[in-house]
Amino acid sequence: GAGVSQSPSNKVTEKGKDVELRCDPISGHTALYWYRQRLGQGLEFLIYFQGNSAPDKSGLPSDRFSAERTGESVSTLTIQRTQQEDSAVYLCASSLDPGMWQPQHFGDGTRLSIL
Amino acid sequence: DAKTTQPNSMESNEEEPVHLPCNHSTISGTDYIHWYRQLPSQGPEYVIHGLTSNVNNRMASLAIAEDRKSSTLILHRATLRDAAVYYCIRAQGAQKLVFGQGTRLTINP
Repeated sequence: GAGVSQSPSNKVTEKGKDVELRCDPISGHTALYWYRQRLGQGLEFLIYFQGNSAPDKSGLPSDRFSAERTGESVSTLTIQRTQQEDSAVYLCASSLDPGMWQPQHFGDGTRLSIL
Repeated sequence: DAKTTQPNSMESNEEEPVHLPCNHSTISGTDYIHWYRQLPSQGPEYVIHGLTSNVNNRMASLAIAEDRKSSTLILHRATLRDAAVYYCIRAQGAQKLVFGQGTRLTINP
């Protein structure tokens, strides 16, 4: 079946521009997560959605970062006024139900490069 | 703070068993132990999880120490496709996985 899909797979942009990253979770998965992975590092949690609500935004690094989810499906992570330190792979994951233990299924990420 | 400790790298030979250790000495009674792995240029992939008892699935086995302060992921017969970074994670439920640096596993033909 279809897994978690992220687009674009690669994005190169100039410092100061805004970017939008998209995540299509597995159909029926109520929980959605965003992570960031800098080169050679482990994943950093950014935000978690239950349905269309975000109970945990604790990992968003600054107010330049925001995310939304609509229709309990697609999610968009927006980075405004990008900086070079924003360069990383942004990974999205979904799980069936966070209330019970369920594995997270990851997409292959969007590689963001800020020039 | 990932609060798990893993060796930076390990090496093994194809078709041999691999034991990947993880220390989680400050684990609480309700924290699950999760293992994920990440192949090059891919997102992480769930491997296995457990709470207190040893667990087996089609991918691997998880041996959890009686005091729960450490665990070992066991790949029974390594293949070249098992070469990846393996992450040991402690978490309450499935929310907010906290990834450390992981162990980079190299499999020699």
